[in-house]
Amino acid sequence: DIQMTQSPPSLSASVGDTVTITCRASQTISTSLNWYQQKPGKAPKLLIYAASSLQSAVPSRFSGSGSGTDFTLTISSLQPGDFATYYCQQTYSSPSITFGQGTRLEIK
Amino acid sequence: EVQLLESGGGLVQPGGSLRLSCAASGYTFSTYAMSWVRQAPGKGLEWVSAISGGGGSTYFADSVKGRFTMSSDNSKNTLYLQMNRLRAEDTAVYYCAKTKYCTNASCRNDAFDIWGHGTMVIVSS
Repeated sequence: DIQMTQSPPSLSASVGDTVTITCRASQTISTSLNWYQQKPGKAPKLLIYAASSLQSAVPSRFSGSGSGTDFTLTISSLQPGDFATYYCQQTYSSPSITFGQGTRLEIK
Repeated sequence: EVQLLESGGGLVQPGGSLRLSCAASGYTFSTYAMSWVRQAPGKGLEWVSAISGGGGSTYFADSVKGRFTMSSDNSKNTLYLQMNRLRAEDTAVYYCAKTKYCTNASCRNDAFDIWGHGTMVIVSS
């Protein structure tokens, strides 16, 4: 199985800050990498697909980059609604996909 | 509006069975692969199973292989997850999710663009 490791597990930031979350795959996955946002008690929401493509209706403050084994999700100008948990997901080994363990973004 | 609505969760004893349903609306159900993803309390996301669009091939995580089956009824636009020989570690919120592009569940470059709200399964005596 392809293991996905996110860092940091949690981070604190303020409204208006820019934050970066990283995701590393245990083997190369090309750009088969997606990012999701999940708020407490809610289903995950797709933000970024194919490593860097912005899902429809997602604000351009969210951006993704990377290929191979190393990927980043950057959120600029943090808004109150951005404080949530973020997951990366690899689909390279589809249908046996795997998620990262999540990064919890909290208000400082 | 594209929507997925899960049902069928509840409390079941270890060794018991449960069938989850996921009713789809707002798109051509048979065109897209579907998956079940679960989330244990306070934990991360775990892919459980997938089915190709039109009710084709099915795939399962090792943790549920041999105990869970997955099917779909295109006439009802509904996805099912039959869970047998349930264990305490199967306790989780179960989400159904639609793929963004692919009919084939083994498609490499895809994502889950629509998720249901989830249904809770508790396995406990």
